[in-house]
Amino acid sequence: GENVEQHPSTLSVQEGDSAVIKCTYSDSASNYFPWYKQELGKRPQLIIDIRSNVGEKKDQRIAVTLNKTAKHFSLHITETQPEDSAVYFCAVTTMNYGGSQGNLIFGKGTKLSVKP
Amino acid sequence: KAGVTQTPRYLIKTRGQQVTLSCSPISGHRSVSWYQQTPGQGLQFLFEYFSETQRNKGNFPGRFSGRQFSNSRSEMNVSTLELGDSALYLCASSFTGTREETQYFGPGTRLLVL
Repeated sequence: GENVEQHPSTLSVQEGDSAVIKCTYSDSASNYFPWYKQELGKRPQLIIDIRSNVGEKKDQRIAVTLNKTAKHFSLHITETQPEDSAVYFCAVTTMNYGGSQGNLIFGKGTKLSVKP
Repeated sequence: KAGVTQTPRYLIKTRGQQVTLSCSPISGHRSVSWYQQTPGQGLQFLFEYFSETQRNKGNFPGRFSGRQFSNSRSEMNVSTLELGDSALYLCASSFTGTREETQYFGPGTRLLVL
């Protein structure tokens, strides 16, 4: 089945620095790659996603890049702020029986700490 | 538009009991997925429902079951609770559950099994 590896597990940066989180996946048929942010005690919230027909997507300080050949995608956060501190999860949708539906397979998460 | 809601938010049960959790999806969403989140295993897929039918199931024992009603609300049930079932149970909804649709999560139900 699909396997998603996420690195690093913890990341500490100074406010204003950039942060990069990387994920690799195993199923070459995967075609949707969301990133979720989960603050302590809160629900996971989608912050950005990318589909396989696109190599890069940007939304203000957040960007995601996808390399389908190498089967990896990355989250880039620029000009980090203390409120960016949270756990970030990458995910991949699998192609289950029938082909049209998909469930999310998550990476183990990266705990990002932004120090003021 | 109201977000995904889950009840109850917290539960304490003892081993051997059973528990039922409820999830109300975003209005218009017909697909509901359930996930278990633990510190050790992370976020793991339990099952997905669409139009009252379970379409997909993760690798969990038969003690974990669910159902969906005609209004798309979903419940999951865990029977004969074990200590290891202590976790945050999250549901997520999307319009039809296709592979490229965004899934929106509820706040979760935190279950503690003593």
